Amino acid sequence: AQRVTQPEKLLSVFKGAPVELKCNYSYSGSPELFWYVQYSRQRLQLLLRHISRESIKGFTADLNKGETSFHLKKPFAQEEDSAMYYCALYTGGFKTIFGAGTRLFVKA
Amino acid sequence: NAGVTQTPKFQVLKTGQSMTLQCAQDMNHEYMSWYRQDPGMGLRLIHYSVGAGITDQGEVPNGYNVSRSTTEDFPLRLLSAAPSQTSVYFCASSYSGDPYEQYFGPGTRLTVT
Repeated sequence: AQRVTQPEKLLSVFKGAPVELKCNYSYSGSPELFWYVQYSRQRLQLLLRHISRESIKGFTADLNKGETSFHLKKPFAQEEDSAMYYCALYTGGFKTIFGAGTRLFVKA
Repeated sequence: NAGVTQTPKFQVLKTGQSMTLQCAQDMNHEYMSWYRQDPGMGLRLIHYSVGAGITDQGEVPNGYNVSRSTTEDFPLRLLSAAPSQTSVYFCASSYSGDPYEQYFGPGTRLTVT
């Protein structure tokens, strides 16, 4: 079955602390994985995609096929990182499966 | 460019009523999708379209109809509203050359009483 699992509904960290948002997937093919973010009162938007291997706003995510994971990491969290984060899996046929989301709260 | 627009922003319906959620995009994107967002369940795909005149069902299509008569518009129709359809609805579009990046509308918050 195709599935994206984000085990944490809420993650609370202090400003300056490292943050890791977990994402695990189940997919029989070669996965195309993404992280989307929704800041307060803003639209859902693409944060990064695994294929580009880029760092956006200090966030990185590495695809680990052995552990079927795509965790989102940032070494030093900022208050403006507080948002809802969704891990997403593109399954082909123009369909994307989203995880349940993790709300990140960065405390001052 | 306005991007993806959705109307209305908020709507309250009584059980059994019907209505249409509007979605339009001005980016000439071929692909458009409708999702519903429920707490603890993330976004679930309702229907999608790969071009004018072509639509298909997503994960949770029951109770909803769509049509795509133009590239720009992709309305979602609730045939007979039920309390289980209380949700936030998002429309999204993407370009065929990069189907992975979806551009989302601001959402419509629907309450069915």
